[in-house]
Amino acid sequence: QSVLPQPPSVSAAPGQKVTISCSGSRSNIGNNFVSWYQQFPGTAPKLLIYENNKRPSGIPDRFSGSKSGTSATLGITGLQTGDEANYYCGTWDSRLSAWVFGGGTKVTVL
Amino acid sequence: QVQMVQSGAEVRKPGSSVKVSCKTSGFSFSSYTINWVRQAPGQGLEWVGGIIPVFGPTQYAQKFLGRVTITTDESTGTVYLELSSLRSEDTAVYFCAREYVLRDLSGLGYWGQGALVTVSS
Repeated sequence: QSVLPQPPSVSAAPGQKVTISCSGSRSNIGNNFVSWYQQFPGTAPKLLIYENNKRPSGIPDRFSGSKSGTSATLGITGLQTGDEANYYCGTWDSRLSAWVFGGGTKVTVL
Repeated sequence: QVQMVQSGAEVRKPGSSVKVSCKTSGFSFSSYTINWVRQAPGQGLEWVGGIIPVFGPTQYAQKFLGRVTITTDESTGTVYLELSSLRSEDTAVYFCAREYVLRDLSGLGYWGQGALVTVSS
């Protein structure tokens, strides 16, 4: 069981929107930045969102992040077949003194 | 530009040790924490530990304490992860990763390509 529960999978048709939730506690999401990662099979994770809601250079604005209290959400609008991947949330846990990650969510484009 | 180039795949027997390297370039080596994150086959991401090169503070995930050592070579900009007393559950791809911006704990923006460590008798 992951420290940061995420839904195992989400799906939507091309052009639609999906949201992925990431649930935590005061020791992690509640008091630290949340980041989001996209990973295709056999490749390294790619940073999509850092500091809760900022996009690195080159990440399209179809990807957005938000945080409220001890939960965070990744949104993907204008869904494309190329968005089919696994998505992970991550944050620092001050009680564990460790980075913790969600279990991952597989996005499927119908 | 920032580069993080890891050593190749390794095969080890249970009970042995493995040392994986991550050669960095394109940034000030002493300014960023370098982390190690692993991913077992078909599983999610798991933080192993991190180090601030040169200045040395090192942190390890609780479950690896006593088995893991992270070191650096400032002369080459290389970070090493050594894991001992290997067991089959340590079979995973090991990634090195650096923060995207200078602010710590903001998000891991630069990753090595990964190194598969297989533990098998």
